[in-house]
Amino acid sequence: TQLLEQSPQFLSIQEGENLTVYCNSSSVFSSLQWYRQEPGEGPVLLVTVVTGGEVKKLKRLTFQFGDARKDSSLHITAAQPGDTGLYLCAGAVDNNNDMRFGAGTRLTVKP
Amino acid sequence: NAGVTQTPKFRILKIGQSMTLQCTQDMNHNYMYWYRQDPGMGLKLIYYSVGAGITDKGEVPNGYNVSRSTTEDFPLRLELAAPSQTSVYFCATGPGVGWYGGNIGELFFGEGSRLTVL
Repeated sequence: TQLLEQSPQFLSIQEGENLTVYCNSSSVFSSLQWYRQEPGEGPVLLVTVVTGGEVKKLKRLTFQFGDARKDSSLHITAAQPGDTGLYLCAGAVDNNNDMRFGAGTRLTVKP
Repeated sequence: NAGVTQTPKFRILKIGQSMTLQCTQDMNHNYMYWYRQDPGMGLKLIYYSVGAGITDKGEVPNGYNVSRSTTEDFPLRLELAAPSQTSVYFCATGPGVGWYGGNIGELFFGEGSRLTVL
């Protein structure tokens, strides 16, 4: 069983559409991170959310941390082909030092 | 400033062979991690280290060993390679403390090492 469950696993949309991907767990996290990975490269951090209910915006990307700090969502407005990639959420439970990743959402944005 | 450097980038092994994946960082981070990523999947934690001389198992440690004799280096050893170990291996480092004061902080990844066991 994955500590962090991400959905959907795959998402293919047209340029200009909006989308939301989810990261859920039964565990409480002190923080959650979202990474984006392109083919042949390592993941790159997009954002860290820390406070329950927190909302962070990064241009067209909006990240939300659940009130109970067990889940998070990523919303992309007016998706562009450059948003194509694998989106991964990650977190460490109970302030442990092992950072675990979800299986990811593979997003394809068609021009 | 190279960041996180992994070698080799590609390797083909025969079943039963052994090898070491090298990871070196010049970011002066205490925390280092090894992950594997199977095709189309997320990352699974193999081993991690919070400082020189300290290592801990992650989710999938079987078939692997690590050591951390210096802050800079965190090699991953595969003994008796098996086809199930065919994967892309990523090394990552982190400062251990985020901007918010909590644990871990951002992870910085190498470019990966693609290993095939035949």
